[in-house]
Amino acid sequence: GAGVSQSPRYKVAKRGQDVALRCDPISGHVSLFWYQQALGQGPEFLTYFQNEAQLDKSGLPSDRFFAERPEGSVSTLKIQRTQQEDSAVYLCASSFPGRPVPEAFFGQGTRLTVV
Amino acid sequence: QKEVEQNSGPLSVPEGAIASLNCTYSDRVSQSFFWYRQYSGKSPELIMSIYSNGDKEDGRFTAQLNKASQYVSLLIRDSQPSDSATYLCAVNKSWGKLQFGAGTQVVVTP
Repeated sequence: GAGVSQSPRYKVAKRGQDVALRCDPISGHVSLFWYQQALGQGPEFLTYFQNEAQLDKSGLPSDRFFAERPEGSVSTLKIQRTQQEDSAVYLCASSFPGRPVPEAFFGQGTRLTVV
Repeated sequence: QKEVEQNSGPLSVPEGAIASLNCTYSDRVSQSFFWYRQYSGKSPELIMSIYSNGDKEDGRFTAQLNKASQYVSLLIRDSQPSDSATYLCAVNKSWGKLQFGAGTQVVVTP
């Protein structure tokens, strides 16, 4: 497709359940980012991939969060043993780093609710 | 002090007027800046990028950057009800990694 695609759009998880969120970036975009957005706040950086290499994971809030992009295209953000504080919108963005100003384009997000 | 600060609003603007949004940032080495528009329940949409001091115009939008003052702003001319949204200021930290402000809610009243 033409844009960044994320699935599922909505996910309700019971506390303690594992979840996996998928991101399919824009074709040709080698950079991929995951952000977490709490209600009323701006997106907060979680992690960054350049192709299949995870170059920055400084924003992952705990070791329960894990991201991968094994073939340099689709990425999965996994959250183990979900907690209520994990409830947020998880946004994926992709960009092409060759531009002078890398412009990131966001997917529609996955709204995670932990009950 | 947050790295990127914006007034949360809401900023109420009469239809046809100019909306002026401000953003300050703390990291002096920042080089590129972005404005995103986010409708309620939707994802951020890129509307402007700027990396040189001065003004950059695109349609009804003008971004202004002053690196000495660590200040970036967005003007929306001839505001329309469809401009009602939250506007997010973002600073490129590295690799394209963005640091966002909390956003300014704009409400355009007919």
